[in-house]
Amino acid sequence: AQSVSQHNHHVILSEAASLELGCNYSYGGTVNLFWYVQYPGQHLQLLLKYFSGDPLVKGIKGFEAEFIKSKFSFNLRKPSVQWSDTAEYFCAVKRSSNTGKLIFGQGTTLQVKP
Amino acid sequence: NAGVTQTPKFRILKIGQSMTLQCTQDMNHNYMYWYRQDPGMGLKLIYYSVGAGITDKGEVPNGYNVSRSTTEDFPLRLELAAPSQTSVYFCASRIGASDEQYFGPGTRLTVT
Repeated sequence: AQSVSQHNHHVILSEAASLELGCNYSYGGTVNLFWYVQYPGQHLQLLLKYFSGDPLVKGIKGFEAEFIKSKFSFNLRKPSVQWSDTAEYFCAVKRSSNTGKLIFGQGTTLQVKP
Repeated sequence: NAGVTQTPKFRILKIGQSMTLQCTQDMNHNYMYWYRQDPGMGLKLIYYSVGAGITDKGEVPNGYNVSRSTTEDFPLRLELAAPSQTSVYFCASRIGASDEQYFGPGTRLTVT
C-alpha cells in the first residue's frame, strides 16, 4: 500500500536556524506532492506543491521543497525560521491517476523558540 | 467566500449515540473529502465524493456514512458512536481542475 513517512515527529529550533523536514513516499508511479501546514488553532493550509517540471519548488513564507525522484523524497526547507513558523507540517502524496485522494504523513510538530 | 465551513466545532458523545457532522463549501467545488486526524497519525481519508450523488469509501470508512445531495454539502454521519471515533474531523474540497484541497476548521469529537 502507498505510504508517506515523515522522519521527524517533533523538531525544536531557535529563531534564525535553518529547517529541513524529511518526507519519503512509497509509490513508484507518477505522483503529485504537497506540504500542508497547520498553525495552532487553525485549519490546514497549502504551503507548496509539486506536479512536474523544476524539482525545486518554492512556496509561501519562504519555504521550498525539493523533489528527488530517485530517493522518493520531497523534503521541506527554510533557511531561517521565525517564531511564527511554529506549527504542524504534513507531507502528502497523490497518485496522478486517481481521484485526488491524498495520503498524508504522520506530521511533524515544529516549535520555534524566540 | 466563506470557503469550507464545519459544524459543530466541538462535541462530546456517549457511546452508542449518533450524530451528523456538517460540512459546506461555497466555492462550487466538485470534489469533497472527510478525514480524521489522530495524534501522531496524520490524516486518514474516511469518505470522498466526486460530485453530487456520488460517494466512495476511503481508507477508514467503517462506522461512518455520507451523502452528497447537493454540490455544497457533504455531511458525515456516525450511527453508533464508539471511543475509537474520538478524533478531529476535517472536511476538504477541491475543484476538478486543481489538485489543491481546501480544508475546513475541523470538528473535535470525543466519545466517552
